[in-house]
Amino acid sequence: DGGITQSPKYLFRKEGQNVTLSCEQNLNHDAMYWYRQDPGQGLRLIYYSQIVNDFQKGDIAEGYSVSREKKESFPLTVTSAQKNPTAFYLCASSNGQGATLNQPQHFGDGTRLSIL
Amino acid sequence: QQPVQSPQAVILREGEDAVINCSSSKALYSVHWYRQKHGEAPVFLMILLKGGEQKGHEKISASFNEKKQQSSLYLTASQLSYSGTYFCGTLGGTGAGSYQLTFGKGTKLSVIP
Repeated sequence: DGGITQSPKYLFRKEGQNVTLSCEQNLNHDAMYWYRQDPGQGLRLIYYSQIVNDFQKGDIAEGYSVSREKKESFPLTVTSAQKNPTAFYLCASSNGQGATLNQPQHFGDGTRLSIL
Repeated sequence: QQPVQSPQAVILREGEDAVINCSSSKALYSVHWYRQKHGEAPVFLMILLKGGEQKGHEKISASFNEKKQQSSLYLTASQLSYSGTYFCGTLGGTGAGSYQLTFGKGTKLSVIP
């Protein structure tokens, strides 16, 4: 079955440490997204990519970095510059490039990141 | 800007109806609706495009009034499985952010026997 796989499910970060969250999709989707979810805040966009080797900042990109070297992979690095990284992180993908007017986003099961 | 959802939370008995609203301060091209159960991934329900088309998914339907920049989600004869948090995501505006979905804070729906 096609889908989006996020790993690990739970992740702990020490102070001053960078950590990388994995996101892989086999849906052959062009666009991929990273969201951060905090209680009562909804989903906020961190980064998105509409095509390989290209990505754009979302609303809360500070302290995060991404890469898109392969169509199926869009890893997110939470750097030490992100002072409040504890949250639920969701990766999503959608079909087609450009505007996502009529393309639903498909989500992975998420990674829950906590500070040690 | 983040769309505003109302109510923030609602409790229903099985078989009752509910309406969830989503309002934006900017012109919209489309509205997406998702449902998320606790600790799980959001699941796509439907997309509404400009034109006021009403769509349905099982006993869940929605409308989109682009003039008022509002969308409403209608849940009829609610079932226990409808429990979860409902998010609207809006697409619109101008500039670099036009192709990003902006999600509301969610409406928590609890259906009890």
